[in-house]
Amino acid sequence: GQNIDQPTEMTATEGAIVQINCTYQTSGFNGLFWYQQHAGEAPTFLSYNVLDGLEEKGRFSSFLSRSKGYSYLLLKELQMKDSASYLCAVRVVSGGSYIPTFGRGTSLIVHP
Amino acid sequence: GAGVSQSPRYKVAKRGQDVALRCDPISGHVSLFWYQQALGQGPEFLTYFQNEAQLDKSGLPSDRFFAERPEGSVSTLKIQRTQQEDSAVYLCASSLGGLAGELFFGEGSRLTVL
Repeated sequence: GQNIDQPTEMTATEGAIVQINCTYQTSGFNGLFWYQQHAGEAPTFLSYNVLDGLEEKGRFSSFLSRSKGYSYLLLKELQMKDSASYLCAVRVVSGGSYIPTFGRGTSLIVHP
Repeated sequence: GAGVSQSPRYKVAKRGQDVALRCDPISGHVSLFWYQQALGQGPEFLTYFQNEAQLDKSGLPSDRFFAERPEGSVSTLKIQRTQQEDSAVYLCASSLGGLAGELFFGEGSRLTVL
């Protein structure tokens, strides 16, 4: 099975930078995703890493180290609308299928 | 619409009733996933289809849960003899399949079992 660990809750100030960590233990690793989910809404895709290193997309960046089983999502210039749950998902290959498995999510609260 | 559509958005069932939840994926998407999300938790994998073939159903919590996708497009998740612990949001997601990674989620069906 997969073991995905991320903090339950984080708080940050508007305009600041926050880093949300995700660690995982799995076999058949085939990529790591970050999704954003506002309360009562569907998760939406933020980023995808399959190779080691940093992927930057506007205010959001995601980093992966496969050897350490570690990823982080970096959010810059925080805005109030960034208050949401951030889900780390690891995709594994099993019998020809590619199944994303999600962590429990990190609830980010941005305050003025 | 171009997105994943789920119905009903809200369902209240009495314990013991059967329910059926529908998912209409994005046209042309080969892969379809069902997840169960309890309040304050991440989505838990239930089952996976590649076209009409159900390739993985290891996440279905009991034999009361059944899913199908007979023509490789619309999928239905059926829960028989609902129990209170089945109360959750059921999310459907689709993707192009294979190594195409991004999942597109529907709004979910919120099931409340009384």
